[in-house]
Amino acid sequence: EVQLLESGGGLVQPGGSLRLSCAASGFTFTYYAVSWVRQTPGKGLEWVSAISSSGGNRYYADSVRGRFTVSRDNSKNTLDLQMNSLRAEDTAIYYCAREQKIDTTTVGFDIWGQGTMVTVSS
Amino acid sequence: QSALTQPASVSGSPGQSITLSCTGTSSDVGSYNLVSWYQQHPGKAPKLMIYEDSKRPSGVSNRFSGSKSGNTASLTISGLQAEDEADYYCCSYAGSRSYVFGTGTEVTVL
Repeated sequence: EVQLLESGGGLVQPGGSLRLSCAASGFTFTYYAVSWVRQTPGKGLEWVSAISSSGGNRYYADSVRGRFTVSRDNSKNTLDLQMNSLRAEDTAIYYCAREQKIDTTTVGFDIWGQGTMVTVSS
Repeated sequence: QSALTQPASVSGSPGQSITLSCTGTSSDVGSYNLVSWYQQHPGKAPKLMIYEDSKRPSGVSNRFSGSKSGNTASLTISGLQAEDEADYYCCSYAGSRSYVFGTGTEVTVL
């Protein structure tokens, strides 16, 4: 079964750090770029970050650039999101999502994990 | 990057057709044929329903169709069924390898 499974969420104080992980199974992980998308409680979705299939290219939303770092280990089929200098507004469910590509263009996010909750509060 | 604008809620009776709108700008929706739509049931992860404005992934019912005109994309659900009750989000490529989602529409089946 094609699957993504996030872990690492929890409660952290403002200014703190947290590292999320996403484990992929059921498909050839090295073929796919992957994104992190978050959803604030009761609200909408926000694209956060993406990393290319090789890991050589990384992209960030303005809201997290300089604070979050995305990485991947293709030998372990895992994706990580290191989150530093966390703020209350970073409180959300964080999903990893596989990017569906046609040629080199991402046309959608076709596989999603179940999400992991991050709460930033004192 | 501002979120794409979607109506907060749309409702319809079983068997009816409804259309959800998604309004962006000439920098996102209007510039690329890369609008996708996602269905999300409570407590579940989003599910891809439409990509490249109007294409359906394998396994998605043909009751779902997408279109676009200018800066506004639309998702039409035909033959509305109880299982279609969910939140729906649009998403567009916004340039520079970034993506913007819509505010979301809650679909209620009366």
